[in-house]
Amino acid sequence: DTGVSQDPRHKITKRGQNVTFRCDPISEHNRLYWYRQTLGQGPEFLTYFQNEAQLEKSRLLSDRFSAERPKGSFSTLEIQRTEQGDSAMYLCASSLTGQPQHFGDGTRLSIL
Amino acid sequence: SQQGEEDPQALSIQEGENATMNCSYKTSINNLQWYRQNSGRGLVHLILIRSNEREKHSGRLRVTLDTSKKSSSLLITASRAADTASYFCAFQGGSEKLVFGKGMKLTVNP
Repeated sequence: DTGVSQDPRHKITKRGQNVTFRCDPISEHNRLYWYRQTLGQGPEFLTYFQNEAQLEKSRLLSDRFSAERPKGSFSTLEIQRTEQGDSAMYLCASSLTGQPQHFGDGTRLSIL
Repeated sequence: SQQGEEDPQALSIQEGENATMNCSYKTSINNLQWYRQNSGRGLVHLILIRSNEREKHSGRLRVTLDTSKKSSSLLITASRAADTASYFCAFQGGSEKLVFGKGMKLTVNP
């Protein structure tokens, strides 16, 4: 069990640029989740996958956000035309069905 | 918007003392979970209590759940400096997503 891995750990970009984050879940986990956490707040749910199927999306996930899990293993989260308000920690978690979620250390996004 | 709320928002205690944190929520739930987060890191799952359970123990942790009051408490006994972290309650209702509170910052002074 190598844990949930996220890359990069930090991303600094200019407003209007596109960014993509990657999450590698624990290998046998069929569920993968994305959350966003701003300073001083708890994580907020964005979306989750069961294998390669995206089963739920939050209304927070505007049309500038897209997530994929093409082979049911790793996942990517892309933000297009970044805005100041996108600055946050993006957390990925994975789990087996019905089991607690295991979180990665997140990708911290800073928009200049 | 978050639907869980921890109380107090910050707590500072001496090593060896017990720490109690409370969580309130507004909707019906399937389970309630507690997570710990060290600064700049991801969340670590501590304990899960299902809606039909009233109390659960795990090592130095004791969690209670009162669904009639829509509240839960987490007790950490014999605290250690390494327990210094932010603690979050989170619940699952009708879906797989976790709904988190704003968190509570615990400082354990050596």
